[in-house]
Amino acid sequence: DIQMTQSPSSLSASVGDRVTITCRASQSISSYLNWYQQKPGKAPKVMIYAASSLQSGVPSRFSGSGSGTDFTLTIGGLQPEDFATYYCQQSYSIPRTFGQGTKVEI
Amino acid sequence: EVQLVESGGGLVQPGGSLRLSCAASGFTFSNYELNWVRQAPGKGLEWVSYISNSGRSMYYADSVKGRFTISRDNANNSLYLQMNSLRVEDTAIYYCAREGQPYNWFDPWGLGTLVTVSS
Repeated sequence: DIQMTQSPSSLSASVGDRVTITCRASQSISSYLNWYQQKPGKAPKVMIYAASSLQSGVPSRFSGSGSGTDFTLTIGGLQPEDFATYYCQQSYSIPRTFGQGTKVEI
Repeated sequence: EVQLVESGGGLVQPGGSLRLSCAASGFTFSNYELNWVRQAPGKGLEWVSYISNSGRSMYYADSVKGRFTISRDNANNSLYLQMNSLRVEDTAIYYCAREGQPYNWFDPWGLGTLVTVSS
């Protein structure tokens, strides 16, 4: 099974900050990497798929990069509605494993 | 609107059974692979099971293998998860999610249904 390791597990930031979350796969997954946002009491929502493709309707301040084993989610200019938990997920193989999550707090 | 709606959750005793359903609408159901994902209280996301668009291929997390069975009814746009021999550690919100093509991302997700296993 492919293991996904996110860092950090949590971070504190302010409105307007640039935030970077990293995700590492235990083996190469090409560009089969997705990022999800989850707010308390809500279902996860895809933000970035295929490592760098912005899901329709997601603000352009969100961006993703990387391929192989190392990936990054960047939020350029944090907004109040961005405070949430973010998960990476590999969709290269089954099981479709998730990272442990990064909680972005004020 | 593309939509998934789960149902069937509830309180069950350890060793009991429960069948979850996921009703789909707004897309050609038989064209898509589907998954179940769960989230224990205060914990992260855990992939549970996958089923191919035809229903011929199924996969399970080691934690549920032999106890859970995924199935689908393409005629009625429905996905199911039969859960047997339930354990306290199966307590979670269960989400169904559609896989996008070609990079298999999960979108959309349902709102989830809560399963509580407790005596």
